[in-house]
Amino acid sequence: KQEVTQIPAALSVPEGENLVLNCSFTDSAIYNLQWFRQDPGKGLTSLLLIQSSQREQTSGRLNASLDKSSGRSTLYIAASQPGDSATYLCALLRAGNMLTFGGGTRLMVKP
Amino acid sequence: AAGVIQSPRHLIKEKRETATLKCYPIPRHDTVYWYQQGPGQDPQFLISFYEKMQSDKGSIPDRFSAQQFSDYHSELNMSSLELGDSALYFCASSLGSGGGDTQYFGPGTRLTVL
Repeated sequence: KQEVTQIPAALSVPEGENLVLNCSFTDSAIYNLQWFRQDPGKGLTSLLLIQSSQREQTSGRLNASLDKSSGRSTLYIAASQPGDSATYLCALLRAGNMLTFGGGTRLMVKP
Repeated sequence: AAGVIQSPRHLIKEKRETATLKCYPIPRHDTVYWYQQGPGQDPQFLISFYEKMQSDKGSIPDRFSAQQFSDYHSELNMSSLELGDSALYFCASSLGSGGGDTQYFGPGTRLTVL
């Protein structure tokens, strides 16, 4: 059974800091890995998707990496802003086309 | 660009009642997925459909059923509701189900069971 763990569970940083969110998984047989953002009580916004054959993806201030051999992915957020405050979820797509989510990291960026 | 539409956005029901959640995928998407997110929990996969046929099944209770219609919209039917069914229910859609397809999520339906 695929286990997905996100560390830290919560993070509070001052505005402007660069930060790294971690996602680890036990089964490397994945199709892809996605990072989502979720605001409280709201839906899931896809941020980045990395196919299993890729190593990283970039979008604006966000960079996500994938290392299947070690079962790790990181989401790097540069120059954080208060508007980045949200819960960030990583999710793995595996056989059966079902996404398995991690527990999320609650990020608070303080002005 | 058109996104996944879910209705209703909010629903309040009593225990033992039934509820029907609807999902309208992105145009031309042929695959629909349902996820349940309990309070403070991560989303859990329930069930998916490809070309109107059930393709995968996750942790969906027997009290729940779902189907995909000819226009590709999907409905999740929930009977004998329990307090523990209170959650955010997400629908996602994709084009194809061959693996590696990006799933686009709707805004969710918040179900509250009293």
